[in-house]
Amino acid sequence: AQSVTQLGSHVSVSEGALVLLRCNYSSSVPPYLFWYVQYPNQGLQLLLKYTSAATLVKGINGFEAEFKKSETSFHLTKPSAHMSDAAEYFCAVKAPDSSYKLIFGSGTRLLVRP
Amino acid sequence: EPEVTQTPSHQVTQMGQEVILRCVPISNHLYFYWYRQILGQKVEFLVSFYNNEISEKSEIFDDQFSVERPDGSNFTLKIRSTKLEDSAMYFCASSGTGITEAFFGQGTRLTVV
Repeated sequence: AQSVTQLGSHVSVSEGALVLLRCNYSSSVPPYLFWYVQYPNQGLQLLLKYTSAATLVKGINGFEAEFKKSETSFHLTKPSAHMSDAAEYFCAVKAPDSSYKLIFGSGTRLLVRP
Repeated sequence: EPEVTQTPSHQVTQMGQEVILRCVPISNHLYFYWYRQILGQKVEFLVSFYNNEISEKSEIFDDQFSVERPDGSNFTLKIRSTKLEDSAMYFCASSGTGITEAFFGQGTRLTVV
């Protein structure tokens, strides 16, 4: 069965600093992996996705994530944090050619200090 | 840009009452989903719907829940007799192929009192 673990329920960075949000997955088959962002009082917006093509995936708003099979990780990064990046970030996994449901991690709240 | 829309944004209901949460998926999408997020917890899958029938459901989706696509545009989630523990944010989502990303609505916050 697929599962996702996000390390750190809260991450705080200074504006302009590197953002690193961690996600590790468990899957018995090559997974499809996603990062979603949830701004306050809003829905879930897709940041980026990995679907077995390039291991380094670029998304919106300057975010990117690298799929590392050996580490079963899909960490989200952004070189320079902006105040508008403050939000909750969810990593999710879906098994390809199988169930269509997404399994979400518990989320990481990103705080950006001025 | 096409988007998934949900109504209402917030609903308060008394325990034991029936509620219907409404969603308009993206028009050319074929797969539809409901998820929920209890305050402070992770987003959980409830049900997926394709070709006018449920394709998968979680253990949360018991007999109190039902889904329907009454016409060509709406997708509804009904809770027959609400419980306090049904209080949550409910998200509707849709996808085109069902294989890649799902697009989520803004959510309906359901409060059962």
